[in-house]
Amino acid sequence: QQQVKQSPQSLIVQKGGISIINCAYENTAFDYFPWYQQFPGKGPALLIAIRPDVSEKKEGRFTISFNKSAKQFSLHIMDSQPGDSATYFCAARNNAGNMLTFGGGTRLMVKP
Amino acid sequence: EAGVTQFPSHSVIEKGQTVTLRCDPISGHDNLYWYRRVMGKEIKFLLHFVKESKQDESGMPNNRFLAERTGGTYSTLKVQPAELEDSGVYFCASSQDKGGNTEAFFGQGTRLTVV
Repeated sequence: QQQVKQSPQSLIVQKGGISIINCAYENTAFDYFPWYQQFPGKGPALLIAIRPDVSEKKEGRFTISFNKSAKQFSLHIMDSQPGDSATYFCAARNNAGNMLTFGGGTRLMVKP
Repeated sequence: EAGVTQFPSHSVIEKGQTVTLRCDPISGHDNLYWYRRVMGKEIKFLLHFVKESKQDESGMPNNRFLAERTGGTYSTLKVQPAELEDSGVYFCASSQDKGGNTEAFFGQGTRLTVV
Protein backbone atom coordinates (compact mmCIF):
# COMPACT_ATOMS: atom_id res chain seq x y z
CA GLN A 1 0.00 0.00 0.00
CA GLN A 2 1.57 3.23 -1.17
CA GLN A 3 1.12 5.87 1.50
CA VAL A 4 2.25 8.79 -0.65
CA LYS A 5 0.92 8.99 -4.19
CA GLN A 6 2.66 11.27 -6.67
CA SER A 7 1.57 12.49 -10.09
CA PRO A 8 2.34 12.82 -12.89
CA GLN A 9 5.03 10.20 -13.50
CA SER A 10 6.56 12.37 -16.19
CA LEU A 11 6.19 15.97 -17.21
CA ILE A 12 7.41 18.02 -20.14
CA VAL A 13 7.38 21.79 -19.80
CA GLN A 14 8.64 24.56 -22.03
CA LYS A 15 11.35 26.85 -20.72
CA GLY A 16 9.75 29.65 -18.76
CA GLY A 17 6.64 27.66 -17.98
CA ILE A 18 5.29 26.44 -14.65
CA SER A 19 5.91 22.86 -13.57
CA ILE A 20 3.40 21.41 -11.12
CA ILE A 21 3.79 18.10 -9.31
CA ASN A 22 1.15 16.80 -6.95
CA CYS A 23 1.24 14.44 -4.00
CA ALA A 24 -1.41 12.98 -1.73
CA TYR A 25 -0.90 11.17 1.54
CA GLU A 26 -2.99 9.00 3.82
CA ASN A 27 -1.27 8.94 7.18
CA THR A 28 -2.44 11.88 9.29
CA ALA A 29 0.56 11.38 11.59
CA PHE A 30 2.85 12.79 8.90
CA ASP A 31 4.06 16.24 9.93
CA TYR A 32 7.02 16.99 7.69
CA PHE A 33 6.83 17.08 3.92
CA PRO A 34 10.07 17.50 1.96
CA TRP A 35 10.64 17.53 -1.77
CA TYR A 36 13.80 16.00 -3.17
CA GLN A 37 15.48 16.66 -6.51
CA GLN A 38 17.59 13.98 -8.13
CA PHE A 39 19.88 14.35 -11.11
CA PRO A 40 21.12 11.28 -13.03
CA GLY A 41 23.91 9.50 -11.19
CA LYS A 42 23.32 11.48 -8.02
CA GLY A 43 21.37 10.85 -4.87
CA PRO A 44 18.20 12.74 -3.94
CA ALA A 45 18.92 16.20 -2.52
CA LEU A 46 16.56 18.18 -0.35
CA LEU A 47 14.97 20.97 -2.35
CA ILE A 48 12.35 22.47 -0.07
CA ALA A 49 10.23 21.26 2.83
CA ILE A 50 7.08 22.28 4.67
CA ARG A 51 5.32 21.51 7.91
CA PRO A 52 1.49 21.36 8.05
CA ASP A 53 1.09 24.50 10.15
CA VAL A 54 1.56 26.63 7.02
CA SER A 55 -0.23 26.44 3.70
CA GLU A 56 2.57 27.65 1.49
CA LYS A 57 6.33 27.96 1.47
CA LYS A 58 8.35 29.68 -1.20
CA GLU A 59 12.07 29.54 -1.87
CA GLY A 60 13.12 31.30 -5.01
CA ARG A 61 11.33 29.75 -7.97
CA PHE A 62 10.14 26.77 -5.90
CA THR A 63 6.87 26.83 -3.94
CA ILE A 64 5.14 24.14 -1.90
CA SER A 65 1.39 24.44 -1.50
CA PHE A 66 -0.09 22.41 1.32
CA ASN A 67 -3.74 21.48 1.91
CA LYS A 68 -4.05 19.71 5.24
CA SER A 69 -7.77 18.96 5.02
CA ALA A 70 -7.37 17.35 1.61
CA LYS A 71 -4.09 15.67 2.62
CA GLN A 72 -2.44 16.98 -0.51
CA PHE A 73 0.65 19.01 -1.27
CA SER A 74 2.24 20.17 -4.47
CA LEU A 75 5.46 21.57 -5.84
CA HIS A 76 5.36 24.49 -8.23
CA ILE A 77 8.44 25.47 -10.21
CA MET A 78 8.04 28.91 -11.68
CA ASP A 79 9.96 30.03 -14.78
CA SER A 80 11.15 26.45 -15.34
CA GLN A 81 14.65 26.13 -16.77
CA PRO A 82 16.39 23.30 -18.64
CA GLY A 83 18.64 22.92 -15.60
CA ASP A 84 15.57 21.96 -13.58
CA SER A 85 15.27 18.77 -15.62
CA ALA A 86 15.53 16.03 -13.03
CA THR A 87 13.45 13.52 -11.09
CA TYR A 88 11.46 14.99 -8.23
CA PHE A 89 10.26 13.04 -5.22
CA CYS A 90 7.79 14.14 -2.62
CA ALA A 91 8.11 12.54 0.78
CA ALA A 92 6.56 12.55 4.21
CA ARG A 93 7.73 11.76 7.72
CA ASN A 94 6.05 11.61 11.11
CA ASN A 95 7.77 12.97 14.16
CA ALA A 96 7.57 9.68 15.98
CA GLY A 97 9.71 7.98 13.41
CA ASN A 98 12.61 8.93 11.29
CA MET A 99 12.04 7.22 8.02
CA LEU A 100 10.86 9.03 4.94
CA THR A 101 7.94 7.70 2.93
CA PHE A 102 8.42 8.65 -0.70
CA GLY A 103 6.14 9.18 -3.63
CA GLY A 104 6.86 7.38 -6.88
CA GLY A 105 8.81 10.24 -8.45
CA THR A 106 8.21 12.59 -11.38
CA ARG A 107 10.64 12.86 -14.23
CA LEU A 108 10.62 16.49 -15.36
CA MET A 109 11.99 17.62 -18.68
CA VAL A 110 12.18 21.32 -19.43
CA LYS A 111 12.57 21.99 -23.13
CA PRO A 112 14.67 24.97 -24.23
CA GLU B 1 32.91 18.43 4.26
CA ALA B 2 32.52 15.05 2.55
CA GLY B 3 29.00 13.92 1.84
CA VAL B 4 27.54 10.46 2.12
CA THR B 5 29.56 8.08 -0.02
CA GLN B 6 28.54 4.68 -1.27
CA PHE B 7 30.54 1.85 -2.79
CA PRO B 8 30.37 0.48 -5.38
CA SER B 9 28.47 2.74 -7.75
CA HIS B 10 27.36 -0.22 -9.82
CA SER B 11 27.35 -3.95 -9.27
CA VAL B 12 26.28 -6.71 -11.62
CA ILE B 13 26.09 -10.16 -10.09
CA GLU B 14 24.54 -13.48 -10.92
CA LYS B 15 21.55 -14.85 -9.11
CA GLY B 16 22.69 -16.76 -6.06
CA GLN B 17 25.85 -14.75 -5.52
CA THR B 18 26.58 -12.48 -2.59
CA VAL B 19 27.01 -8.73 -2.76
CA THR B 20 28.03 -6.27 -0.06
CA LEU B 21 27.23 -2.61 -0.34
CA ARG B 22 29.00 -0.02 1.77
CA CYS B 23 27.93 3.37 3.03
CA ASP B 24 30.08 6.01 4.70
CA PRO B 25 27.83 8.60 6.34
CA ILE B 26 28.71 12.20 7.02
CA SER B 27 31.09 12.35 9.96
CA GLY B 28 29.25 12.91 13.22
CA HIS B 29 25.88 11.74 11.93
CA ASP B 30 24.48 9.20 14.33
CA ASN B 31 21.51 8.31 12.14
CA LEU B 32 22.06 6.15 9.08
CA TYR B 33 19.34 4.89 6.77
CA TRP B 34 19.15 2.44 3.90
CA TYR B 35 16.55 2.85 1.17
CA ARG B 36 15.94 1.06 -2.11
CA ARG B 37 14.32 2.07 -5.36
CA VAL B 38 13.19 -0.74 -7.59
CA MET B 39 12.87 0.27 -11.25
CA GLY B 40 10.25 2.95 -11.73
CA LYS B 41 8.78 2.66 -8.28
CA GLU B 42 9.02 4.72 -5.12
CA ILE B 43 12.07 4.86 -2.90
CA LYS B 44 11.36 2.51 -0.01
CA PHE B 45 12.79 2.50 3.48
CA LEU B 46 14.80 -0.53 4.51
CA LEU B 47 16.25 0.23 7.92
CA HIS B 48 17.58 2.82 10.31
CA PHE B 49 20.63 2.77 12.55
CA VAL B 50 21.26 5.03 15.49
CA LYS B 51 24.99 4.74 15.99
CA GLU B 52 25.61 0.97 15.92
CA SER B 53 22.09 -0.06 16.95
CA LYS B 54 19.27 -1.00 14.61
CA GLN B 55 16.46 1.38 15.48
CA ASP B 56 13.98 0.20 12.87
CA GLU B 57 14.40 -2.61 10.39
CA SER B 58 10.76 -2.94 9.43
CA GLY B 59 11.50 -2.35 5.75
CA MET B 60 13.98 -5.18 5.28
CA PRO B 61 12.46 -7.48 2.64
CA ASN B 62 13.60 -10.81 4.05
CA ASN B 63 16.41 -12.58 5.84
CA ARG B 64 18.62 -12.56 2.77
CA PHE B 65 19.44 -8.98 3.68
CA LEU B 66 21.85 -8.26 6.51
CA ALA B 67 22.87 -4.77 7.58
CA GLU B 68 25.62 -3.90 10.00
CA ARG B 69 27.15 -0.77 11.38
CA THR B 70 30.07 -1.80 13.49
CA GLY B 71 31.42 0.96 15.70
CA GLY B 72 28.69 3.32 14.60
CA THR B 73 30.63 4.58 11.59
CA TYR B 74 30.23 3.06 8.14
CA SER B 75 27.53 0.55 7.34
CA THR B 76 27.33 -2.48 5.09
CA LEU B 77 24.32 -4.11 3.50
CA LYS B 78 24.84 -7.69 2.41
CA VAL B 79 22.51 -9.57 0.12
CA GLN B 80 23.01 -13.33 0.26
CA PRO B 81 21.99 -15.06 -1.92
CA ALA B 82 20.90 -12.41 -4.38
CA GLU B 83 17.68 -12.88 -6.35
CA LEU B 84 16.50 -11.17 -9.53
CA GLU B 85 13.98 -9.03 -7.64
CA ASP B 86 16.78 -7.52 -5.55
CA SER B 87 17.83 -5.43 -8.54
CA GLY B 88 17.45 -1.71 -7.96
CA VAL B 89 19.24 1.34 -6.65
CA TYR B 90 20.21 1.21 -3.00
CA PHE B 91 20.53 4.56 -1.29
CA CYS B 92 22.12 5.36 2.01
CA ALA B 93 21.31 8.54 3.92
CA SER B 94 22.50 10.06 7.16
CA SER B 95 21.27 12.75 9.50
CA GLN B 96 22.57 14.37 12.64
CA ASP B 97 19.41 14.32 14.74
CA LYS B 98 16.09 12.54 14.55
CA GLY B 99 12.76 14.05 13.69
CA GLY B 100 12.02 17.77 13.54
CA ASN B 101 13.31 19.45 10.43
CA THR B 102 16.52 17.45 10.40
CA GLU B 103 17.66 16.99 6.86
CA ALA B 104 18.68 13.57 5.64
CA PHE B 105 21.61 13.64 3.21
CA PHE B 106 21.68 10.95 0.56
CA GLY B 107 24.55 9.19 -1.13
CA GLN B 108 24.67 8.73 -4.90
CA GLY B 109 23.35 5.20 -4.61
CA THR B 110 24.55 1.76 -5.66
CA ARG B 111 22.86 0.35 -8.73
CA LEU B 112 22.57 -3.41 -8.24
CA THR B 113 21.71 -5.62 -11.16
CA VAL B 114 21.11 -9.31 -10.52
CA VAL B 115 21.17 -11.41 -13.70
